[in-house]
Amino acid sequence: QVQLQESGPGLVKPSETLSLTCTLSGGSVSSGSYYWTWIRQSRGRGLEWIGSVYSSGTPHYNPSLQSRVIISTDTFDNNFSLRLTSVTAADTAVYYCARYSGFYVDHWYYGLDVWGQGATVTVSS
Amino acid sequence: ETVMTQSPATLSVSPGDRATLSCRASQSITRNLAWYQHKPGQAPRLLIYGASTRASGVPVRFSGSGSGTDFTLTISSLQPEDCAVYYCQQYINWPPQLTFGGGTKVEIK
Repeated sequence: QVQLQESGPGLVKPSETLSLTCTLSGGSVSSGSYYWTWIRQSRGRGLEWIGSVYSSGTPHYNPSLQSRVIISTDTFDNNFSLRLTSVTAADTAVYYCARYSGFYVDHWYYGLDVWGQGATVTVSS
Repeated sequence: ETVMTQSPATLSVSPGDRATLSCRASQSITRNLAWYQHKPGQAPRLLIYGASTRASGVPVRFSGSGSGTDFTLTISSLQPEDCAVYYCQQYINWPPQLTFGGGTKVEIK
């Protein structure tokens, strides 16, 4: 059973770079046909997709964040990471890592079936 | 961009009664829709994928329906542990693009 755990600084200064890591246990970031994904939830708001990276492929990002985001995998340390540059107070949120999986019924369908517990990041000086 | 609109924003239901949550897409997404349950302080939980297939371990009282632009999540007999915010989420297969609705908060009346 794969489990995910986010880690990283809980406080980031404005204009600096937010960096989070999601470590896997019970599975490998390089095996299977999964997209490793970052989601965030700002206070009082809903869920926002940040981006996803295939096990060993090209990342895909939310167009609204694309210019500031990098998501990558590290097969040696079995994790994947998020870097968000030039942060502002609007980036204050709970950040979740998740696994985006395919399920075959009559067709391939997808869903975020494994989630980390979330990491709270505050942007403040 | 496909916009997902959920209604109502808050739903108050008596224990044992049916709860019906709606999700509308701004354009057809066929059945590329998932539903999640999110309780405070916990990670979201996948309930439904493909608009109507329950994820592993999800109680049968949860059911999903719809295709195209209009979707429904039904809780047939609301239990106290079902109090949560429910989100619908659509996706474009390739390249992966995910969009969530604004959520419906379900509370006990």
